[in-house]
Amino acid sequence: QVQMKETGPGLVQTTQTLSVTCTVSGFSLTSYGVHWVRQAPGKGLEWMGIIWGDGSTNYNSALKSRLSISRDTSKSQVFLTMNSLQTDDTAVYYCAEETEGLDYWGQGVMVTVSS
Amino acid sequence: DVVMTQTPPSLSVAIGQSVSISCKSSQSLVYSDGKTYLHWLLQSPGQSPKLLIYQVSNLGSGVPDRFSGTGSQKDFTLKISRVEAEDLGVYYCVQATHFPLTFGSGTKLEIK
Repeated sequence: QVQMKETGPGLVQTTQTLSVTCTVSGFSLTSYGVHWVRQAPGKGLEWMGIIWGDGSTNYNSALKSRLSISRDTSKSQVFLTMNSLQTDDTAVYYCAEETEGLDYWGQGVMVTVSS
Repeated sequence: DVVMTQTPPSLSVAIGQSVSISCKSSQSLVYSDGKTYLHWLLQSPGQSPKLLIYQVSNLGSGVPDRFSGTGSQKDFTLKISRVEAEDLGVYYCVQATHFPLTFGSGTKLEIK
């Protein structure tokens, strides 16, 4: 079955760079896309971007200048990198597999940005 | 960006009742391939979101048929028949027709 698991640093300083990894199983990254979605504490969901099965990407224009999504298909991992962090980037970061529509989600990783 | 307006913001219902949640988009969600990429998610307390309905009316894997979705163009509805205790949480609609994907603000379902 499909499984997604996010891992990340937990705490990052302002102006620094965030790196979060999504490790997947049960499907091939060359066949299906993986989204990144985040949720600030007590808030709704914000779509960040997607890496498709062919390796192409789409980003939320609000984050595009700071955001990069990449992958290592041999390790079944997808990477989110975001620079110039601010306190309002504090959120739970989720990866989600795209078959029909954000079908499977990881448990998320909480990232706190502190000055 | 497409704005998704979801109502009501909260609901309180008794077990066994039926409820409906509305989601309206600021643009048509019909894609050039003729499909409509409007999905519904449920985020149970302390959990990550789960796909309930994809492309307006298709049940996600393992989702009971008490859940149903209808709608077209810019106006969509999620209906839950015979609400059960496990249905509590926050329901989100999300459009995936236009980039960036955008979510409704959520509807919190509470059990009386």
